[in-house]
Amino acid sequence: KAGVTQTPRYLIKTRGQQVTLSCSPISGHRSVSWYQQTPGQGLQFLFEYFSETQRNKGNFPGRFSGRQFSNSRSEMNVSTLELGDSALYLCASSPLGSGGSTDTQYFGPGTRLTVL
Amino acid sequence: DAKTTQPNSMESNEEEPVHLPCNHSTISGTDYIHWYRQLPSQGPEYVIHGLTSNVNNRMASLAIAEDRKSSTLILHRATLRDAAVYYCILRGYGGATNKLIFGTGTLLAVQP
Repeated sequence: KAGVTQTPRYLIKTRGQQVTLSCSPISGHRSVSWYQQTPGQGLQFLFEYFSETQRNKGNFPGRFSGRQFSNSRSEMNVSTLELGDSALYLCASSPLGSGGSTDTQYFGPGTRLTVL
Repeated sequence: DAKTTQPNSMESNEEEPVHLPCNHSTISGTDYIHWYRQLPSQGPEYVIHGLTSNVNNRMASLAIAEDRKSSTLILHRATLRDAAVYYCILRGYGGATNKLIFGTGTLLAVQP
């Protein structure tokens, strides 16, 4: 099976612009989560989708949003970009989807976003 | 969510065993202990998880203290490809979420 794929892999934007990142989960996985990784804050949970519904959200401003499509592919959008949004954005999918203490997360390689 | 504490960094020599410790003194009875690792320029990858008993898989072993307040990830023969940041994460039972709470992890350096 192909792994989690994320596009684009690298992106450069300027302050005030918006950006959309895409994630394709492993075939058959219905749960998709997004994380932001920065040198200062480490890996932080953004949000999680299951069956096109957001079921959990991290502590990020409303400029960060996401959605999931019927084929489980997911997108996240960041509007009005700030310099501090420069980060590696990681997507993860899960096989069970029901959540819980034993589910394994499979991560993609990430999208490196640079905001100038 | 209960918190974990790990050393910031550790060093090992190639082909020697590595023991990566994790303290989780506030763990609840139903929390599972998960380990993920992140190799340079990659997303995290699952390593192993357990509840009470020691666990083995092809990547590593997980030794869990009897009181469950600490655990140790064991790499039996470190290779250069094992150089990564290792994260110890607690996951509570129930709740329909796959959210992972990452700490700062342990940066493992492997010397040839």
